Amino acid sequence: GAGVSQSPSNKVTEKGKDVELRCDPISGHTALYWYRQSLGQGLEFLIYFQGNSAPDKSGLPSDRFSAERTGGSVSTLTIQRTQQEDSAVYLCASSFDPRTGNEQFFGPGTRLTVL
Amino acid sequence: KNQVEQSPQSLIILEGKNCTLQCNYTVSPFSNLRWYKQDTGRGPVSLTIMTFSENTKSNGRYTATLDADTKQSSLHITASQLSDSASYICVVSGSNDYKLSFGAGTTVTVRA
Repeated sequence: GAGVSQSPSNKVTEKGKDVELRCDPISGHTALYWYRQSLGQGLEFLIYFQGNSAPDKSGLPSDRFSAERTGGSVSTLTIQRTQQEDSAVYLCASSFDPRTGNEQFFGPGTRLTVL
Repeated sequence: KNQVEQSPQSLIILEGKNCTLQCNYTVSPFSNLRWYKQDTGRGPVSLTIMTFSENTKSNGRYTATLDADTKQSSLHITASQLSDSASYICVVSGSNDYKLSFGAGTTVTVRA
């Protein structure tokens, strides 16, 4: 596809369940980012991938959060034992080499609701 | 404390009118500043990008300004249209190019 895609678009889950969020970046983009957007707040950085490695995962809020990227393309963000405070929109973005100041292109996000 | 502050939090304007959004930042060192538009249910899309040496940048009816000395930026929307209803987010890049600082956004509602 032409842009970053994410799935599912919406996810409703019960507290304590695990969820997986998927991101398909723009073809050829080496960098991939995950953000969390809560109502009325700015985007919160979660993790950055360069290729398949994650040089910066400092934004992951707890050890319940993990992410992986395979083949330098698709990434999955996993939240284990979800809590109500995990409810938010999770955005994925991709770019060419960020060292050259390249624009990050965002996907439409996954809206997660934890009941 | 957030390094990027935006104001107002929200505003309502009539179709055809102009408006100006403000962004103050403390990110240092500074690399560039972007304004993004985020429609409801969509991801943010870049409108403009400015580096340290640029004072103004236009994209159609959107004009961004930057004062790197006072660390302030503004986004001016001219002759607003209903499709301008969205959240506008100020995003600053420091020396670490991949880690961006996001403002909380200004929600603009354009009414007929």
